[in-house]
Amino acid sequence: GAGVSQTPSNKVTEKGKYVELRCDPISGHTALYWYRQSLGQGPEFLIYFQGTGAADDSGLPNDRFFAVRPEGSVSTLKIQRTERGDSAVYLCASSPGGGGGYTEAFFGQGTRLTVV
Amino acid sequence: AQSVTQPDIHITVSEGASLELRCNYSYGATPYLFWYVQSPGQGLQLLLKYFSGDTLVQGIKGFEAEFKRSQSSFNLRKPSVHWSDAAEYFCAALGGNKLTFGGGTRVLVKP
Repeated sequence: GAGVSQTPSNKVTEKGKYVELRCDPISGHTALYWYRQSLGQGPEFLIYFQGTGAADDSGLPNDRFFAVRPEGSVSTLKIQRTERGDSAVYLCASSPGGGGGYTEAFFGQGTRLTVV
Repeated sequence: AQSVTQPDIHITVSEGASLELRCNYSYGATPYLFWYVQSPGQGLQLLLKYFSGDTLVQGIKGFEAEFKRSQSSFNLRKPSVHWSDAAEYFCAALGGNKLTFGGGTRVLVKP
């Protein structure tokens, strides 16, 4: 079946602009995660959704970052007033969730965001 | 604070030689532990995971890892490396439904 899909694969934007990054999780997965991977570093947690609600947004760096998952499937990460320091690969992952406990997260290929 | 450390940033190994990648974690309790591989232009692929039970876990692509509670370590090993194993490897620990990743180890394979 299809894996986690992220669009666009690459995004170049000017400093100060607004961007949206999209994630299509694996069908039926109730848990969805966003991570950010800066050059030469490991991924860092941003936000976790269980269904439609953000269960943990403690990793969002500031109020310029916001994410939604209105129907419990597709999620959009929104970044306002982009800064050059926001340049990174944004990774989305999904997992089955539910009452069976954590199993594993399946990652998309990421969106490479470059702010110029 | 919870953390995962991968002491080696780069490792170069000859094809056919053995490989060991180090991972240490700092958590209040034994977390769930994972190893992922990331090839250029590819997403993160899970190699193996440890939740509980047997401390030696087998994964895909001939990899294995050993959990050692006394050393807070979860090192990854492969007996004989192939050129296709050249990639970046990440150790991760799960706490509170979020993964904390180490900084990664880049593996270069010499012919």
